[in-house]
Amino acid sequence: KAGVTQTPRYLIKTRGQQVTLSCSPISGHRSVSWYQQTPGQGLQFLFEYFSETQRNKGNFPGRFSGRQFSNSRSEMNVSTLELGDSALYLCASSSMGTSVNEQFFGPGTRLTVL
Amino acid sequence: AQSVTQLDSHVSVSEGTPVLLRCNYSSSYSPSLFWYVQHPNKGLQLLLKYTSAATLVKGINGFEAEFKKSETSFHLTKPSAHMSDAAEYFCVVSPLNDYKLSFGAGTTVTVRA
Repeated sequence: KAGVTQTPRYLIKTRGQQVTLSCSPISGHRSVSWYQQTPGQGLQFLFEYFSETQRNKGNFPGRFSGRQFSNSRSEMNVSTLELGDSALYLCASSSMGTSVNEQFFGPGTRLTVL
Repeated sequence: AQSVTQLDSHVSVSEGTPVLLRCNYSSSYSPSLFWYVQHPNKGLQLLLKYTSAATLVKGINGFEAEFKKSETSFHLTKPSAHMSDAAEYFCVVSPLNDYKLSFGAGTTVTVRA
């Protein structure tokens, strides 16, 4: 099975712009979660989607949003970018098997905001 | 609420010697506990997981961890370090049947030849 894929792998944007990141989960996985990784704050949970519905949300401002499509692919959007949004954004997928919260991570999208 | 404290930000070992990475957790619920590894410029890879079954958990690449409820600890060990073990390691907690993972700050492992 192919792993979790994320596109693009690298992005450079300027302050005030918006950005959309994409995540394709492992085939058959219906839950997709997003995390932000920065040197200062570490890894922080953004949100989790299951069957096109957001089930869980972390403590991030409303500029961070996401959605999930019927094929389980997910996108996250960040509007009005700030310098502090520079980070590695990781997507993870999970099945509804015996290990219900075991998550498989993609390689991440490195976002740089100038 | 749940949280994780990794007691060492950096661990340096010689190749062939044991590795110990310490993790304490706090959870209001029966937790699931995980150790993930991240190599430079790579995503996170699951090393092992505890989900209320056996307290001694064996993972990939010779790693194992022991869940000790009385000490709220989940320390990761490996008897003999290899150069390829140089990476950052994250201890992670979540409530059972919940998809929100809470990560520790990470421990960077350096392996000396």
